[in-house]
Amino acid sequence: DVKVTQSSRYLVKRTGEKVFLECVQDMDHENMFWYRQDPGLGLRLIYFSYDVKMKEKGDIPEGYSVSREKKERFSLILESASTNQTSMYLCASSPGQGGYGYTFGSGTRLTVV
Amino acid sequence: GEDVEQSLFLSVREGDSSVINCTYTDSSSTYLYWYKQEPGAGLQLLTYIFSNMDMKQDQRLTVLLNKKDKHLSLRIADTQTGDSAIYFCALDPNNAGNMLTFGGGTRLMVKP
Repeated sequence: DVKVTQSSRYLVKRTGEKVFLECVQDMDHENMFWYRQDPGLGLRLIYFSYDVKMKEKGDIPEGYSVSREKKERFSLILESASTNQTSMYLCASSPGQGGYGYTFGSGTRLTVV
Repeated sequence: GEDVEQSLFLSVREGDSSVINCTYTDSSSTYLYWYKQEPGAGLQLLTYIFSNMDMKQDQRLTVLLNKKDKHLSLRIADTQTGDSAIYFCALDPNNAGNMLTFGGGTRLMVKP
């Protein structure tokens, strides 16, 4: 069964901490994505990557960075966590062709206190 | 860019049919998708329809595509309480699987 695995389901961090959210896929997918999901705002794209060591800003990149050193792993980094980054974070991956959609991880619910 | 709209909320009684609607502006997508998100979980792909089809049926799910009106719908027959979730439609304007555009999601509540 193909999978996208997010390292934590729930995370509580303090304001100002550096936070790492990890995502690993086992499908050899080219593309990986990070979204955040907030009530009433739907899915908002933070960053995406089409290849190793490649990254592109999404719609709301401010306060975030990413790393893709290996094809299977895409990390989201909150450089200095703030309370307005409390959210559900979703990782997804897709192959480099149409017709397959995205495969999502289970999500990480991050609370910044 | 592509704009994808869904109504926010739908409530039905168990055993009834549910119809979740999605309208879009860009008609270039070859594939149109429906995702389901259960509480506290990620999104899972439910079904998709190829743009040269008008209808696709998969057990209790029926997808209808009206390209002229740029309207996509998901019908769930005999809706069960386990169908309570948020449903997202998604389009792929680049047809490369690398930049889906999602609707805002419709929360389906099924009452016993």
